[in-house]
Parts: sequence; structure tokens; C-alpha cells
Amino acid sequence: GQNIDQPTEMTATEGAIVQINCTYQTSGFNGLFWYQQHAGEAPTFLSYNVLDGLEEKGRFSSFLSRSKGYSYLLLKELQMKDSASYLCAVKDSNYQLIWGAGTKLIIKP
Amino acid sequence: DTEVTQTPKHLVMGMTNKKSLKCEQHMGHRAMYWYKQKAKKPPELMFVYSYEKLSINESVPSRFSPECPNSSLLNLHLHALQPEDSALYLCASSQEGLSSGELFFGEGSRLTVL
Repeated sequence: GQNIDQPTEMTATEGAIVQINCTYQTSGFNGLFWYQQHAGEAPTFLSYNVLDGLEEKGRFSSFLSRSKGYSYLLLKELQMKDSASYLCAVKDSNYQLIWGAGTKLIIKP
Repeated sequence: DTEVTQTPKHLVMGMTNKKSLKCEQHMGHRAMYWYKQKAKKPPELMFVYSYEKLSINESVPSRFSPECPNSSLLNLHLHALQPEDSALYLCASSQEGLSSGELFFGEGSRLTVL
């Protein structure tokens, strides 16, 4: 079966750094995506990794290790507006997106 | 224009009603998607249109009927829905079909079935 695991909930402090992990087991791999979703709103694209390594985009970075089936999303200089759910999704061999259940990130002052 | 526009934002309907959700994008994307999302769950794929042809139907009940009039428009026709169909319905598009990268999502249509 296809499976994506990420923590259900994490808490961090404003101004700090947080790392959200994602492990996956899918039939094939054609890229890994991170999306941010605020409550009641649509997901917004954060990052895309298809090769191993780190992709940096402002305060957000995403890392991929295909051999380990592992990715993380790193958020720096946390702001209150970063409180949201973060969804990890993998495109399988049929190019279908397999979604993780999401990690709810709570930022405290 | 990097937007996917969905209407209506909110819809309340009875189990005998017929209604439609609409989605529009003007980014020249060739794949469009309907997803259903329940609270605290990830989006669940319903349908994919690639180059205006239905390419994926994830065993969705026939009370949901998709339509793609042209490459910019996607509709979801609703008939005889059940209360458990209440959810956020998300439309998305991607550039070159299933193999292309990110999905661009609309803001969603929140459906309540009474």
C-alpha cells in the first residue's frame, strides 16, 4: 500500500525554528510537495523536491532523501501567521498525488 | 493571473436539489481537478480532466457529475446528495497534465447538505 506519515500536531514558539518530518512509501516517486493550509482555506503550494537535497525559499526550506523515503520542511523565524496545517504529498508512478494527513502547527507567543 | 476561481464560496442544499459548483482558471493550465476535503483530513481526489478529457474518476458516486466545457472551465453538478457529502470542494489546476508540478488550488466551495 501507499503511505505517508507525518506528525499530527507540533507546537513551537514565535521566532524559533521548527522541522516537520514526512516519511513515505509509495509505488514510484515523481516528486514531493509541501502545502500550507490555514483552517477553512485552500492549500497553498510551498515547495517541490524531486532530487535529493535542500531547496530554500525565504524562511522555508525543504529537504529530500529518496533513498530514505524522507523529507522535512524547515520553517525559520516563526511568525504567528505560520500557524496552519502542513501537508506532505508525493506523486507516485502514475503521477497521482498521495497526501499525508497533515501536521497542525501551533505557534505560541 | 495566477488564480483559480471557484463559485459559489458557500452552498446549502437539500437532498432533492440540483446545484452546480464552478471553477475557472486563466493560466493556460491543461489539467483540472476536483477534490473533496473533510475537516482535519487531507484532500481526496475525485476527478481529473487532462486536455479537456476525463482521465481519472476515483469511483465517485454518480450523484456527482463533472463537466469540462473548455480548457478554462470545470463544473461539478450535484444531484440527490447526502448529508455526508457536506465538505469543502476544492478545484485545482496544473500546467501540463498529471505529470506537471504543483497544483494551484481555488479557495474552495463549502457545501452543506441538509
